[in-house]
Amino acid sequence: GAVVSQHPSWVICKSGTSVKIECRSLDFQATTMFWYRQFPKQSLMLMATSNEGSKATYEQGVEKDKFLINHASLTLSTLTVTSAHPEDSSFYICSARRTAGNTIYFGEGSWLTVV
Amino acid sequence: GENVEQHPSTLSVQEGDSAVIKCTYSDSASNYFPWYKQELGKGPQLIIDIRSNVGEKKDQRIAVTLNKTAKHFSLHITETQPEDSAVYFCAASSRNAGGTSYGKLTFGQGTILTVHP
Repeated sequence: GAVVSQHPSWVICKSGTSVKIECRSLDFQATTMFWYRQFPKQSLMLMATSNEGSKATYEQGVEKDKFLINHASLTLSTLTVTSAHPEDSSFYICSARRTAGNTIYFGEGSWLTVV
Repeated sequence: GENVEQHPSTLSVQEGDSAVIKCTYSDSASNYFPWYKQELGKGPQLIIDIRSNVGEKKDQRIAVTLNKTAKHFSLHITETQPEDSAVYFCAASSRNAGGTSYGKLTFGQGTILTVHP
């Protein structure tokens, strides 16, 4: 089956530093990837849509300069949380839309804790 | 934009019983409806999906029905097992302007399913 891998699965960083999360589609090509944030006991909140070779489309209220997204290849998108603050602590999840078939698969998520 | 409502927010059943989760959507252009199962601390896992040209789809103990006229779709789990306990999300999406791919998913609020042994 289609597999989407996220790395790291959990990370702890100090306030003011930046942290990068990778999202890879392991066995299929994904021209589009999505980044979500999820708070405990809540639904997934779409942050941005990442298109291979072009700029990401951010949802209203999401700071482009704080959450940098790069989608340099058909199998990799990265989310960089810059100048992290404790309120950025959350569960970040990516998904990838398989180019052939259009089905969307999710990664396992990345827990970010900013101390 | 699309709005997806999901009910119930929590559902508790006995092992072996059936469980039904219902979702409604607002955008008549939506034509792709996946269901995801999310276990604690993990990413959502696609369990079944349905496209608008189909009214029902079944995969072993799981089935999804779609009523495009009423704009609602439902997840049915039969012969529930304790391992089915998780949070279930419905979602809706529509094709882009060129009709070549599906756009972003709009999620329901989630249903916490608990199956008691």
